[in-house]
Amino acid sequence: DIVMTQSPDSLAVSLGERATINCKSSQSVLYSSNNKNYLAWYQQKPGQPPNLLFYWASTRESGVPDRFSASGSGTDFTLTISSLQAEDVAVYYCQQYYGTPQTFGQGTKVEIK
Amino acid sequence: EVQLVESGGGLVQPGGSLRLSCAASGFTFSSHWMSWVRQAPGKGPEWVANVRQDGSEKFYVDSVKGRFTISRDNAKNSLYLQMNSLRAEDTSVYYCARDIFPMVRGVFDYWGQGTLVSVSS
Repeated sequence: DIVMTQSPDSLAVSLGERATINCKSSQSVLYSSNNKNYLAWYQQKPGQPPNLLFYWASTRESGVPDRFSASGSGTDFTLTISSLQAEDVAVYYCQQYYGTPQTFGQGTKVEIK
Repeated sequence: EVQLVESGGGLVQPGGSLRLSCAASGFTFSSHWMSWVRQAPGKGPEWVANVRQDGSEKFYVDSVKGRFTISRDNAKNSLYLQMNSLRAEDTSVYYCARDIFPMVRGVFDYWGQGTLVSVSS
C-alpha cells in the first residue's frame, strides 16, 4: 500500500497569514503514460464529510476559493492557503488514487493563532 | 443538486451483519464509479470499496475482503454495502461517495452525510 504522510499534524496561523501543509507519498504517484500525479486534497470541517479541493495534484475543484493552491509532483506535494480565513479552520487530507487501496494521509489540523 | 443519502447503520454485536444503503439523486448514477469510505472516530478517512458503473468490477481494501460486498442497482439509483462478520475495528461513520471520473477511480467529489456503524457487545 502507498503510505501518505502529512506534516505538520497541526498548524496554528494568524488570520490573513499563509498556511502550508506538506504531503509525502511512500512511492511516486506520477503516472508516466499521461504525466499526471494521482493526488487529491480534501478539507473536512467538524461534523461534515470531506470536501474535495484539488485533484491531479493541482487542479482546483469548482467553487474552491483561489486563496487555496496546490503543487508538487512524484512523491512530494504541498497545499497552501495564501491568506487564512476563519472559515478555513478544518482538517486537511491528502489522498493518492494511483494505487489500490486509495489511501489518505493522517490529516493536518489548521487552527487560528 | 447531487444528493447521496446513506441508511442502515446502527449498533451490532461482533460477528453480526449490517447492510448499508445509499440513495443517489441529481445525477446520472449509472455513469459513475461509486465508493464507500469510512472514518473511525478521531481518525482520517479510509477507502473501503468501489464498484464500476455497470457493477462488473469491484475493489476492496484488504481488511474487508471476504467480509464486505459492494453492489449497486442502477435502476434504483442505489449503492449498497453488505457487511458480514463485523469486528470492533469496523466501527466508523460510513460514507457513500461519488467518483468524479468515469475512467479513473478514487477521487470523490460528492459525499453523503454518513451513517454510523458501531460494533460492540
